[in-house]
Amino acid sequence: SQQGEEDPQALSIQEGENATMNCSYKTSINNLQWYRQNSGRGLVHLILIRSNEREKHSGRLRVTLDTSKKSSSLLITASRAADTASYFCATATGYNTDKLIFGTGTRLQVFP
Amino acid sequence: DTGVSQNPRHKITKRGQNVTFRCDPISEHNRLYWYRQTLGQGPEFLTYFQNEAQLEKSRLLSDRFSAERPKGSFSTLEIQRTEQGDSAMYLCASSWDAYEQYFGPGTRLTVT
Repeated sequence: SQQGEEDPQALSIQEGENATMNCSYKTSINNLQWYRQNSGRGLVHLILIRSNEREKHSGRLRVTLDTSKKSSSLLITASRAADTASYFCATATGYNTDKLIFGTGTRLQVFP
Repeated sequence: DTGVSQNPRHKITKRGQNVTFRCDPISEHNRLYWYRQTLGQGPEFLTYFQNEAQLEKSRLLSDRFSAERPKGSFSTLEIQRTEQGDSAMYLCASSWDAYEQYFGPGTRLTVT
C-alpha cells in the first residue's frame, strides 16, 4: 500500500516558474525523501529530511516537513525543461525496517 | 558506470512460465532492495537484504516469488507460474546505510 498521497497529481508550468508539490503521509516517520523519475534516468534521489528537521535546501530544491500535520512540500525554483519528470515522496519509519514507502507521485511538465 | 544494474531490461513471458531477474548493486553497498512499480503508481516495497540475510518481505511477495542474495553480492528475484497481474516494472536499489537508496533502471515484465 502507498503511504503518501501527493498533490497535485499533475502540474504544468513554464520554464522559469516555481513548482510546488505536496506530500501527506499516514504514520510516524524517521525521515522523508524525495525522488525524481524520468524515462531516461530511472529513480534518482533528490533530498532527505529527517523527522527533527523542518526545512532543507539543495540547489534549486527546498523541502519542508511538518510532522504535526504529517506533510511535506518540495519546491523547485526557476524550473527548467529538464525538470520534467515524476516526483515521489518516500517515507522511512526506521522502526526495525529500512524499507521506503512511496507516494503516488506528481507528474511535472515544464514547457520551454 | 558503477551504478546499480539490472538484467534483463525487458522480459516478455507467457502466463504460467517462470522468470528470473538479476540485480547487481553498487559494490560497497550492504543493503539491497526490491520494489515493484505499476503504471501511474509509486514503487511498492517487496523485500530487502542486509548482506545475505533477507530481513523483511512484503505481503505482496506471494509464495510464487522468491528472492536470494548469495554471498551478499548480486541478488535474483524469481517469479514462478507468472500471472498477468505480475506485469510491472521491477526495481532494485542498494544502499550503504538505511538512508539514500540508489535505484537501477528496472526490469519491465510483460506477461501475456
